[in-house]
Amino acid sequence: QGQLVESGGGVVQPGGSLRLSCEGSGFAFSSHGIHWVRQAPGKGQEWVAFIQYDAIEKSYADSVKGRFTISRDNSRNTLYLQMNSLRREDTAVYYCARDRIAVAGDSYYYYLDLWGKGTTVAVSS
Amino acid sequence: DIQMTQSPSSLSASVGDRVTITCRASQTIGRYLNWYQQKPGEAPKVLIYAASSLLSGVPSRFSGSGSGTDFTLTISSLQPEDFATYFCQQSYSSPVLTFGGGTKVEIK
Repeated sequence: QGQLVESGGGVVQPGGSLRLSCEGSGFAFSSHGIHWVRQAPGKGQEWVAFIQYDAIEKSYADSVKGRFTISRDNSRNTLYLQMNSLRREDTAVYYCARDRIAVAGDSYYYYLDLWGKGTTVAVSS
Repeated sequence: DIQMTQSPSSLSASVGDRVTITCRASQTIGRYLNWYQQKPGEAPKVLIYAASSLLSGVPSRFSGSGSGTDFTLTISSLQPEDFATYFCQQSYSSPVLTFGGGTKVEIK
C-alpha cells in the first residue's frame, strides 16, 4: 500500500520561508501525481498544489500562487513544497496525498488514496 | 471555483444509530465526489469515490449516494470506531480540488 511521511514543518516569522518534504515508500513513487493539502486550525481541508508524476504539470491554489513552489525528485522518492513570503494565514497542518485514478466506462475518477500524517507550520512573530 | 458545503458541521449519535451527512456543490459535478474519514492524529482515509463506490476494505455500513450537486454519506449502524471527522471532496476540476468543511461525529 505504501507510506508518505512529511517533514520540515516548524515556526517561522511572517515573510519567512520554509521547505516541506514528503518521502514516499512502499510503492512506485515516480508513477503517481501527488498533492499538498493543508488544514488550518479549526478549518476544513484546503488544496494547495499538485504535481504530475513526471513533474511536467503543476497546479497551485490562488492563495499560494507566486509564493509556493511544488517539486519532486523521483530518484529520492521525495516531494517538496518551497514556501516563501509566508503569511499568518498559512498556519496549518500540511499533508501530502497520492492521486489515484479509477476508470469507469469513459470516465476517470480521481481520489486521494494515501495520505501522510502531516507536518505543522506555524507562521508567527 | 467549485465550493463544497457540508452539513452538519457536527453531530452527536449513539452506537447503532443511522447517520447521514450531506455535501452540496456550488455547480454540477456529476459523480466526481469522494468521502474521507479522519481520526485525531491520523492520516485521512478515503472511504468512497465516484459518489458511491466503496473502497476495498471499507465496511459495508458506509454508503454514498447522489449526483450533480447533492450527495450523501450514510453510516447505517454507527460503530464505536466510526467516531471521527468526515469530509467530502470534489474531483470534477482535478487536479484543482475543493473540500467540504467536515462533519465531526461524536458520541452522544
